[in-house]
Amino acid sequence: EVQLVESGGGLVQPGGSLRLSCAASGFTFSSYEMNWVRQAPGKGLEWVSYISSSGSTIYYADSVKGRFTISRDNAKNSLYLQMNSLRAEDTAVYYCARVDYGGNSTYYYYYMDVWGKGTTVTVSS
Amino acid sequence: AIQLTQSPSSLSASVGDRVTITCRASQGISSALAWYQQKPGKAPKLLIYDASSLESGVPSRFSGSGSGTDFTLTISSLQPEDFATYYCQQFNNYPLLTFGGGTKVEIK
Repeated sequence: EVQLVESGGGLVQPGGSLRLSCAASGFTFSSYEMNWVRQAPGKGLEWVSYISSSGSTIYYADSVKGRFTISRDNAKNSLYLQMNSLRAEDTAVYYCARVDYGGNSTYYYYYMDVWGKGTTVTVSS
Repeated sequence: AIQLTQSPSSLSASVGDRVTITCRASQGISSALAWYQQKPGKAPKLLIYDASSLESGVPSRFSGSGSGTDFTLTISSLQPEDFATYYCQQFNNYPLLTFGGGTKVEIK
C-alpha cells in the first residue's frame, strides 16, 4: 500500500525548534518530488516547501524562508522538515504530499496524489 | 505570485443537487489546475488534475472544466459523502504552488 506517515509534531514555545519526519512506503520514494503543506486551525491549505527527487532543488514559501529547511534521505525513504524560530502563526497540521506528473515533452501537468494524515504543530507559551 | 480565488466560500445544498464551484486565477495558468476534497480531520484527496482529468477511483459525478483564468468543479448529483471542503491548486509555476481559499459544501 502506498503510504506516507508524518511524525514529530508537538507543543513548542515561540522561538523554539522542531523536526518533522515523513516515512514513505509502497512506492519508489527516490523517484518522486515531495512537498510539505500545512493547515492552520480552521483555515485553508498553504504550500510550505518543495524538494526534488534527488534533493538538489528546493523551494520555500516566503512565510517560512530562512526558518525552515526541507531535506530527504532516499536510502531511508524519508522526508524531513526542520523548523526553527517558530512563531504562533506556524501552528498548523503539517502534511507531506507526493507529486506525480504526466504529459509529454512540450507540456507537463502535476498533482499531489498521495498525502499523509498529518502531524500537529502547536507553537505557544 | 499567482492568486486563486474560489467562490462561493461556502454553500448549502441538498442531496441530489447539482453543485458548481468556481476558481479564478490572477493570471492565465493554461490547464495547470487540480481540485481536492477535504473532510474534517482528514488529509486532502485528489479529485481532478490538469483541470478536467478525473483521478482514478473518483466517482464520475465529479467533473472539472476551464482553462486560462476561469475553472469550475461540478458535482452533478450531490451525495451525502460529498459534504466537505473543496480546494483548487495551481501548478502553472510549479514547484511554486498556490491553493485557493476553499469552498465548504454543507447540508441544506
